[in-house]
Amino acid sequence: KQEVTQIPAALSVPEGENLVLNCSFTDSAIYNLQWFRQDPGKGLTSLLLIQSSQREQTSGRLNASLDKSSGRSTLYIAASQPGDSATYLCAVTQDSGAGSYQLTFGKGTKLSVIP
Amino acid sequence: KAGVTQTPRYLIKTRGQQVTLSCSPISGHRSVSWYQQTPGQGLQFLFEYFSETQRNKGNFPGRFSGRQFSNSRSEMNVSTLELGDSALYLCASSFNAGKGYTFGSGTRLTVV
Repeated sequence: KQEVTQIPAALSVPEGENLVLNCSFTDSAIYNLQWFRQDPGKGLTSLLLIQSSQREQTSGRLNASLDKSSGRSTLYIAASQPGDSATYLCAVTQDSGAGSYQLTFGKGTKLSVIP
Repeated sequence: KAGVTQTPRYLIKTRGQQVTLSCSPISGHRSVSWYQQTPGQGLQFLFEYFSETQRNKGNFPGRFSGRQFSNSRSEMNVSTLELGDSALYLCASSFNAGKGYTFGSGTRLTVV
């Protein structure tokens, strides 16, 4: 059974700092990995999608890497801003059989960026 | 391009009642998945529908059921509600797994 772990569970940084969020998974047979952002009481916003054959993806100040063989992914946020404060979730997609895929999520990292 | 629409946004129900939640996927997306989010368990997979067929189901009791219509809209139903069913229920749609998933804003269900 796939297990996804995110460390740290919470992180507080001053504005402007660069930071790294970590995600690890136990089964390397993944289809892809997706990073999401969740604001309090809201749904999930997709940030980056990395296919299993890719090593990294970039969008603006965000960079996500994937090392499938070691079961690790990182999300790098450059020059953090107070608006980046949210919970960041990592999810891996796996083939569940019969053409179905499902996401397995980590518990998330709650980020607070202090002005 | 409209996103994933979930209705209603909030629901308060009494123990023992039943509830139906609705999800309209992005146009052209035929896969709809449902997830339950609670503070203790995080996000857990409920089920996935594709072209009106349930393709996969998570480890939830039979009180949780769903269906998908020919226009890809999906509903999930929870019967005989329990206090522990209080959660944020999220729906996600996908064109195919390789293109990732788009989530709706969720329905917050409170059982009293």
